[in-house]
Amino acid sequence: QKEVEQNSGPLSVPEGAIASLNCTYSDRGSQSFFWYRQYSGKSPELIMFIYSNGDKEDGRFTAQLNKASQYVSLLIRDSQPSDSATYLCAVLHLGSNYKLTFGKGTLLTVNP
Amino acid sequence: EPEVTQTPSHQVTQMGQEVILRCVPISNHLYFYWYRQILGQKVEFLVSFYNNEISEKSEIFDDQFSVERPDGSNFTLKIRSTKLEDSAMYFCASSESPGQVYEQYFGPGTRLTVT
Repeated sequence: QKEVEQNSGPLSVPEGAIASLNCTYSDRGSQSFFWYRQYSGKSPELIMFIYSNGDKEDGRFTAQLNKASQYVSLLIRDSQPSDSATYLCAVLHLGSNYKLTFGKGTLLTVNP
Repeated sequence: EPEVTQTPSHQVTQMGQEVILRCVPISNHLYFYWYRQILGQKVEFLVSFYNNEISEKSEIFDDQFSVERPDGSNFTLKIRSTKLEDSAMYFCASSESPGQVYEQYFGPGTRLTVT
């Protein structure tokens, strides 16, 4: 069973702080990793993806991947109240080009 | 900005009835997907579809479910003989291509309530 685990939170940070969201996965054959943001009652919205070890930056967001540790993270700099949402980690496995396996998500609250 | 659209936004049906959920993927995308999310639970993959056939399906996607691309723009999910446990948000997604560098973009979802 290919699992994707996230701390469900809630993670609470003050406005302007860095929020750090973590995800671990069980399948060493996993090849790509996606971060989605989901507001309550809404659909997942893609933030960014990463498939090489190291960091990938896009605006206030940085994804970090460590395949040896089977760990992927998302950092949100200068957190805003509008960033308050559930953040979903999703994994694409080797041998499947189609199926994303999602974690349950981490609820982030940014306090003004 | 192009987006995936879904109709209806909310569907209420009685147990045992058939429902069809509709999706219009992003126009230049070739790969289409259905996912579902039961309230409070994970987003779960149901099926992927390319070139008028299923590419991959999950254990959830049994004979009760079917997908179709009836014309050049719509992509549908049919659920026959609905059960109470089919109540969930159903999301359609699309991508230009499958694989590690191609993102899947999600539609707004259809909330299905089976009573």
